[in-house]
Amino acid sequence: EAQVTQNPRYLITVTGKKLTVTCSQNMNHEYMSWYRQDPGLGLRQIYYSMNVEVTDKGDVPEGYKVSRKEKRNFPLILESPSPNQTSLYFCASSLAPGPPNEKLFFGSGTQLSVL
Amino acid sequence: QKEVEQNSGPLSVPEGAIASLNCTYSDRGSQSFFWYRQYSGKSPELIMSIYSNGDKEDGRFTAQLNKASQYVSLLIRDSQPSDSATYLCAVINSGGSNYKLTFGKGTLLTVNP
Repeated sequence: EAQVTQNPRYLITVTGKKLTVTCSQNMNHEYMSWYRQDPGLGLRQIYYSMNVEVTDKGDVPEGYKVSRKEKRNFPLILESPSPNQTSLYFCASSLAPGPPNEKLFFGSGTQLSVL
Repeated sequence: QKEVEQNSGPLSVPEGAIASLNCTYSDRGSQSFFWYRQYSGKSPELIMSIYSNGDKEDGRFTAQLNKASQYVSLLIRDSQPSDSATYLCAVINSGGSNYKLTFGKGTLLTVNP
């Protein structure tokens, strides 16, 4: 089944404890991206990757890191999480940047709580 | 900051009516426009994409784009209770080496039986 898999689905952690949210897609997509969704603020892009070893900042990259060493994986790293990073996170991928292949496929989301 | 604006709603329509959702964007260089639907507690899913001025129809959904007015809309005909969801407008600007996707905050639609 074609899908974007995010893990974990729920995560509770404490301030300053490094964590990684994994994202993997099995559709051979070039483009992958991370978003956070907060009430009243909508979906905001954190980082995106056009292909292996190519990443760029979105609108809210502060406090996050990403890497794209393999085409299928795009982990999101929080080196020192803070309470303002409590949010619902989505990973998404598309076949390629540029029309007509820009349909985003989303993972199921990761609800992160930083205490 | 490139912006995508939507009425937050909630927009409430009776079953069978036409629901009209609107979106404006600030970046004239935007080239690709999308409507995603998100049910409560679920991930967004694409329902329409549009790239050129005019209307694009897919079943009960019609997307309309007016680049001069920087406006994109979604019409849902014969609205059903199953259409009740948050609708997200998304815009891509891929000028130069950038490829930025910006979402609006979403409009909550409720279709009343």
